[in-house]
Amino acid sequence: EDQVTQSPEALRLQEGESSSLNCSYTVSGLRGLFWYRQDPGKGPEFLFTLYSAGEEKEKERLKATLTKKESFLHITAPKPEDSATYLCAVQGNSGYALNFGKGTSLLVTP
Amino acid sequence: DSGVTQTPKHLITATGQRVTLRCSPRSGDLSVYWYQQSLDQGLQFLIQYYNGEERAKGNILERFSAQQFPDLHSELNLSSLELGDSALYFCASSPRGSGGVSYQETQYFGPGTRLLVL
Repeated sequence: EDQVTQSPEALRLQEGESSSLNCSYTVSGLRGLFWYRQDPGKGPEFLFTLYSAGEEKEKERLKATLTKKESFLHITAPKPEDSATYLCAVQGNSGYALNFGKGTSLLVTP
Repeated sequence: DSGVTQTPKHLITATGQRVTLRCSPRSGDLSVYWYQQSLDQGLQFLIQYYNGEERAKGNILERFSAQQFPDLHSELNLSSLELGDSALYFCASSPRGSGGVSYQETQYFGPGTRLLVL
């Protein structure tokens, strides 16, 4: 059975203080690993898709990386508007459904 | 804005009742997925429809059912509602959701329907 574990559960950063969020996964054949951002009461917003180990993608202050067992979401010099829950999900060879981790709740204070 | 729409935004009902949630996918997307998000369980996959046909089932209760219509919009029907069914229900869509083993697809989520069962 596919499993996704995210850590930490919550993270508080000062504005400008860089950090990384972790997503560990086990899956029977990886189609893709996805990162989403979710604001309270809203739907998940797509950020990145990663397909193979060694792959990296960047968007503004966010950079996602992938190994065979985990993915990291690096946040460089975060701003208060980066505060949200970041969700990691895997899509395995058994189908197209996404298996989500429970998320990391990020709070960036001025 | 993802292009996926869901109605209603909020729904308050009583135990034992039945409700219908509606989802319109992004233009051109053939697959619709339903997910439930509760505080303790996180986002859980319920069911997928591809071009009108059921493609995959997840942790969907027998009291719940869904369908996808010829215009590709989808409805999720929840019946005999219990207090524990209170949650956010999200619909997502993707262009295909069907293909080879190595093919992957990004899903785009709607704004959700917040269901409260009293």
